[in-house]
Amino acid sequence: DTEVTQTPKHLVMGMTNKKSLKCEQHMGHRAMYWYKQKAKKPPELMFVYSYEKLSINESVPSRFSPECPNSSLLNLHLHALQPEDSALYLCASSQDRTGNQPQHFGDGTRLSIL
Amino acid sequence: QKEVEQDPGPLSVPEGAIVSLNCTYSNSAFQYFMWYRQYSRKGPELLMYTYSSGNKEDGRFTAQVDKSSKYISLFIRDSQPSDSATYLCALDNNDMRFGAGTRLTVKP
Repeated sequence: DTEVTQTPKHLVMGMTNKKSLKCEQHMGHRAMYWYKQKAKKPPELMFVYSYEKLSINESVPSRFSPECPNSSLLNLHLHALQPEDSALYLCASSQDRTGNQPQHFGDGTRLSIL
Repeated sequence: QKEVEQDPGPLSVPEGAIVSLNCTYSNSAFQYFMWYRQYSRKGPELLMYTYSSGNKEDGRFTAQVDKSSKYISLFIRDSQPSDSATYLCALDNNDMRFGAGTRLTVKP
């Protein structure tokens, strides 16, 4: 089991649905990340939060909306997704945003868009 | 040219073999070097982390960094079927970049 917990593990949704992915860590980390991973590809960075503030948005479509309610929680709100958005969504955290703190990943939410 | 190059394999070896996984990179600004292991349907798990040239050993795993050649390696000794996974190199300098990942199968 990882120290970064993601829920749900699996999610199937239609293109008109609204759903949220959740991520939680209790390691006292102040940087949290969302990644998207397609099959047989490396993770692609979507968003970075540092001290609960959005610091990086890698030109992600607005149908993905991140939220960081507090230092332990990270949400990803989904709305009007497309079939090509089907992927494994990974959350990660690190002590802070400096490069000398490695990122720790959760096991992801496997998302399927019908 | 990609910032980080990693042969995606697949790589298949017999149990007990020494495995060598490699990445090259082009940006000399990368200062921190990681290897992650990812099992099917799981998230990447941090295996090794280093920031200096040279070797770092942890059990059967050895990470090697050569900054002058911009080349990093992961060696797995006495490989086991449980080592079968995708291995991702990752390089960071406030902006982490992954290699493509190498799929490794260790056959009993």
